[in-house]
Amino acid sequence: GAVVSQHPSWVICKSGTSVKIECRSLDFQATTMFWYRQFPKQSLMLMATSNEGSKATYEQGVEKDKFLINHASLTLSTLTVTSAHPEDSSFYICSASPPGAGGPRDTQYFGPGTRLTVL
Amino acid sequence: AQSVTQLDSHVSVSEGTPVLLRCNYSSSYSPSLFWYVQHPNKGLQLLLKYTSAATLVKGINGFEAEFKKSETSFHLTKPSAHMSDAAEYFCVVSVLFGNEKLTFGTGTRLTIIP
Repeated sequence: GAVVSQHPSWVICKSGTSVKIECRSLDFQATTMFWYRQFPKQSLMLMATSNEGSKATYEQGVEKDKFLINHASLTLSTLTVTSAHPEDSSFYICSASPPGAGGPRDTQYFGPGTRLTVL
Repeated sequence: AQSVTQLDSHVSVSEGTPVLLRCNYSSSYSPSLFWYVQHPNKGLQLLLKYTSAATLVKGINGFEAEFKKSETSFHLTKPSAHMSDAAEYFCVVSVLFGNEKLTFGTGTRLTIIP
């Protein structure tokens, strides 16, 4: 089946630094990838939709200047948390739909997630 | 607007007994409904999905769910629990109109008692 990877799986950084998280579709090309955030014991919240070759679409309340998304190729999307602060500590998960998918209602394949801890 | 409510945050069952994870949804339009499972340190895996075809949906690993429009429910069941079923389960809704984004429930942690 389709596999999505994330790197790193966990990262610890100091407040004020920037952190980049990579999301890769390993065996398919993804024109659209999605970034979610999951707080402890809570649900996944969609942050943004990443479109290859164009600007990401952010959900209401998500700061686009803080969470920079780049989808430079059909297999790679990156999320950069700029000037991270302790409140940005969370579990970040990406997902992607294989070609031909009709939209988010079709099957999304999820990465294993990246746990970010900001000290 | 769409939303989904998972009625139990934690369910414990003995190995070999039936599993029932409850989910109610709210949607202005015909929804698509999904159940995903999240094992520790693993990505979310799709168990099954309903997209306006048969109301009883069979998924992987012996799980199934029934779409009941009159009750706005999409409960997940399995006849006999296995130790490997221990995980976090998410009920998810999506609708055709709008941006079709996935809306996740808060999750149900399933514990299997040996």
